Amino acid sequence: GAVVSQHPSWVICKSGTSVKIECRSLDFQATTMFWYRQFPKQSLMLMATSNEGSKATYEQGVEKDKFLINHASLTLSTLTVTSAHPEDSSFYICSAETRQGAGEQYFGPGTRLTVT
Amino acid sequence: RKEVEQDPGPFNVPEGATVAFNCTYSNSASQSFFWYRQDCRKEPKLLMSVYSSGNEDGRFTAQLNRASQYISLLIRDSKLSDSATYLCVVNTMDSNYQLIWGAGTKLIIKP
Repeated sequence: GAVVSQHPSWVICKSGTSVKIECRSLDFQATTMFWYRQFPKQSLMLMATSNEGSKATYEQGVEKDKFLINHASLTLSTLTVTSAHPEDSSFYICSAETRQGAGEQYFGPGTRLTVT
Repeated sequence: RKEVEQDPGPFNVPEGATVAFNCTYSNSASQSFFWYRQDCRKEPKLLMSVYSSGNEDGRFTAQLNRASQYISLLIRDSKLSDSATYLCVVNTMDSNYQLIWGAGTKLIIKP
């Protein structure tokens, strides 16, 4: 149980285009989903916390107009990287909680974004 | 000072040996603690939660020392497949509920 999927698993796009990444909890309802970014050889960095039906809470330094998050249902959250630049190239990982506040998160397989 | 600190390693350990990692945290109000494992270029996977009384899962033992504000992970009879980065994670459970991640300790098990 507690399976989280992400789509796509990897994507290459040109500078200036937008990319949407989907995160789905397959066998449970997730009131809270999290979006992380990980650069090579670095730790996960939390970008935003997404609660179903409300606006996402962004971490300091993360541009909310650039990284659009929509959590429309209890099983789906999307991250859209708008006007992508090469410096946005990274590994984007989502996670979901099975129980709010429990602290245990289950992660999607990640999406590797390369912006050329 | 970082909120969660780990020795980045790498720890090079022969197969079959016992290895231990420590992780220190700065917020004394922290309530929940976890160890995650991350393989190269993969997502982190929950290895085990850390309970106040300490807990064991097969070859893995986790302990919490609230007075000194550190948690530990012990791996016995290490296997080649244990090679990974081990991430220490702390949850303060306060109004700014958030998981705080350590940078990870890289473990390399050698045959």
